[in-house]
Amino acid sequence: NAGVTQTPKFRVLKTGQSMTLLCAQDMNHEYMYWYRQDPGMGLRLIHYSVGEGTTAKGEVPDGYNVSRLKKQNFLLGLESAAPSQTSVYFCASSDTIYNEQFFGPGTRLTVL
Amino acid sequence: AQSVTQPDIHITVSEGASLELRCNYSYGATPYLFWYVQSPGQGLQLLLKYFSGDTLVQGIKGFEAEFKRSQSSFNLRKPSVHWSDAAEYFCAVGAGGATNKLIFGTGTLLAVQP
Repeated sequence: NAGVTQTPKFRVLKTGQSMTLLCAQDMNHEYMYWYRQDPGMGLRLIHYSVGEGTTAKGEVPDGYNVSRLKKQNFLLGLESAAPSQTSVYFCASSDTIYNEQFFGPGTRLTVL
Repeated sequence: AQSVTQPDIHITVSEGASLELRCNYSYGATPYLFWYVQSPGQGLQLLLKYFSGDTLVQGIKGFEAEFKRSQSSFNLRKPSVHWSDAAEYFCAVGAGGATNKLIFGTGTLLAVQP
């Protein structure tokens, strides 16, 4: 089992460019999450999904879109990147309500 | 609204010394509580979790945490710290409902002196 994987690991964008971050899990989990981590702010939830074909907004959704076309994949899109989106992005998955979340290794994104 | 407070941003302990990291939460019902550890450049790994029952919870790597409802706390402890424990530690509370969302504290960065 690879667990939760994220692609790419690092990326540098210019302001206004777009990109998609891919999260994949091989644990057949229903729930998937995208967080951003910034110094001194912990992890903040961007968007989440409670099953294939569903998505919902989290705490800081502005400037991001997501899709969950397949159960194992959760995509995070930035349509027009801004320097404020410079952050480390983590994907996580969970199998049931009230159970632990398993985290990927993260993607470090810099927007110039 | 649910919230988690980790009052210590940075803690330094000597190797072999005991450790206690503080976590206070705000939640109306019985909380689901977690401690995660993040080594530099890595993702988060679960140390332990509390759902119900015994208020003293054992985790991996020799860590334990005690749930104290009267103090709204879930402090993490380890009797003897190893240099490899240097990392950032996050406390989290389950947000409830049908989403399994977690609310994270801002983290405590642990440094271990030789």
